[in-house]
Amino acid sequence: AQSVTQPDIHITVSEGASLELRCNYSYGATPYLFWYVQSPGQGLQLLLKYFSGDTLVQGIKGFEAEFKRSQSSFNLRKPSVHWSDAAEYFCAVPVRGGSQGNLIFGKGTKLSVKP
Amino acid sequence: EPEVTQTPSHQVTQMGQEVILRCVPISNHLYFYWYRQILGQKVEFLVSFYNNEISEKSEIFDDQFSVERPDGSNFTLKIRSTKLEDSAMYFCASSVHNTGELFFGEGSRLTVL
Repeated sequence: AQSVTQPDIHITVSEGASLELRCNYSYGATPYLFWYVQSPGQGLQLLLKYFSGDTLVQGIKGFEAEFKRSQSSFNLRKPSVHWSDAAEYFCAVPVRGGSQGNLIFGKGTKLSVKP
Repeated sequence: EPEVTQTPSHQVTQMGQEVILRCVPISNHLYFYWYRQILGQKVEFLVSFYNNEISEKSEIFDDQFSVERPDGSNFTLKIRSTKLEDSAMYFCASSVHNTGELFFGEGSRLTVL
């Protein structure tokens, strides 16, 4: 069965430190891949997406993610975290054989930022 | 910047009552979705809607649920007879194309007592 795994439930980093959030997926082929962010009291916002081509993709707010086919991973990175990055981050893939808008989300990783 | 708006932000209802959650998608978007997130659990797909009909629905979206686009701007989710387990945050989303690039509203929190 398809799945998206985010192994870290909660991560705390210091402001200015680098960040990597992990995402592994089980799909059976190369899927579209997404990272969404949810700030407190807000809806989910698309950070970045991978469809094909260059495996390093850039997103909004200085985030990037790298698709590694051999590891079935799509980890999210940011070189220097800002306090406003504190939020919950969700990795997602479309259901295989379904609509591309039918997304399977991971459980999310909550990011806290220390001053 | 255009956004998806949802009302109400929070609704409390008694078990067995009907609830309608409303959404105004972004105006030039063609695909519409409802997702839900039960507290502490994953965000889950409920239904997608395109060209005035349901294009896909999940197992969660049983006969108690229905969706409608009554007037070309609103997109509603109706729960006919609410159960305790329907308590969740319900997110509306829309997209221009069917690519998974969704724009989400801020959600409607439903509490069923």
